[in-house]
Parts: sequence; structure tokens; C-alpha cells
Amino acid sequence: DIVMTQTPLSSPVTLGQPASISCRSSQSLVNSDGNTYLSWLHQRPGQPPRLLIYKISNRFSGVPDRFSGSGAGTDFTLKISRVEAEDVGIYYCMQGSQIPFTFGPGTKVDIK
Amino acid sequence: EVQLVESGGGLVQPGESLRLSCAASGITFSNAWMYWVRQAPGKGLEWICRIKRKTDGGTTDYAAPVKGRFTVSRDDSKSTLYLQMDSVETEDTAVYYCARGYGGAFDMWGQGTMVAVSS
Repeated sequence: DIVMTQTPLSSPVTLGQPASISCRSSQSLVNSDGNTYLSWLHQRPGQPPRLLIYKISNRFSGVPDRFSGSGAGTDFTLKISRVEAEDVGIYYCMQGSQIPFTFGPGTKVDIK
Repeated sequence: EVQLVESGGGLVQPGESLRLSCAASGITFSNAWMYWVRQAPGKGLEWICRIKRKTDGGTTDYAAPVKGRFTVSRDDSKSTLYLQMDSVETEDTAVYYCARGYGGAFDMWGQGTMVAVSS
């Protein structure tokens, strides 16, 4: 199975300041079809996760443009350009390139 | 309204069975690859299984911890996804989410249904 790791696991941030989360996979996520199925999800307490980014850098419908994704191969990053109060919660990266799909452990983002 | 709604969770004893349902509305369910994902209390997300749409063979895949005990199925005429859970274990205690596949990601999630396994 592909193991996903995230750093940091906890990130206190200041409102209006940028934030960044790294995600690394134990092997390349480039699929046999040439696509890299790395996505980012956000989960608020008591809520289901919601999709932010898919295929490394594609913002899902309705996701604010302060969220951006980048990376390739085994190293990926989610950036929030200016953190807002509604951005608190846990962020997960997930690989969908190989069965079983696997998630990172999550990064908890809260306000300083 | 576009949504997925899970049901069927509850308290069961180890070794018993339970069937979860996920009713879809507002989407073309028959076109969707559907998934189950679970989250143990206070823990992260764990992919459990997948069922492809019938035009792609309707095949299924399972995570190792549930393979041979859980069975995913779908009824496209009812726009409903199922998860039959047999021989449940205490480690199966979790919130179970159904989700729709979208380019190697999940673009729609239900609110989840809680399954507690305890004697």
C-alpha cells in the first residue's frame, strides 16, 4: 500500500497570513494513464470531508482561489494564501492512483 | 437536492451483521463509481471499498481489513449504495461515509452513519 505522510501535523496560523501543508507518498503517484491522482480534503469538526483540490492542482467547484495545490511524483503541497476563520479544521491529502486509496494522517489547522 | 444520505448504523455486538445504505439524489447514480470510507472516533480517514458503475463492469475492490467480511453492492434503480458488514469486530467502530468518485478523488460525501461494535 502507498503510505501518505503529512507535515506539519499541527499548524497554528494567524488570520490573514499564509499557510502551507506538505504531503509525501511512499511511491510515485503517477498512474499508468499518466495522471497523478493526489487530492486535498478539508474536514471541520462534526462534518464530512469536502474536496478542495484534485489531480494535484485543480480547484474543485466553489473552492476559494486562496487555496492552491502543487507538486509532482511523490511530493505535494497545499497552500492557503491568506487564512480565514472558516479554514480551521483538518486537512488530508489522499492518493487515488492505486488501490487501496490511502490518506495522510491529517494536519490540524487552528488560529493562533 | 444533490446529496448522499447514509443510514443503517447502530450498536452491534462482535460477530454480528449490519447493512448500511446510502441513498443518492440529484445525481445520475448509475454513472458513478461509489466508495465507502470510514473514520474511527478521533482518527483519520480510511478507504474501505469501491464499486464501479455497471458500464465499467460493476467490479468491486476492498481494503485488506474488511476483505471477506464486507460486501459492497448497488441498486441503480433505487439510486442506492449498500455495505453489508458481516462478522464485525470492535475495530470496525467508526463513522461510515459513502462518497462519489471524481477523477481519483471524492467530490460528494454523505453526512455519515455511526457504527459501534461492542459487547
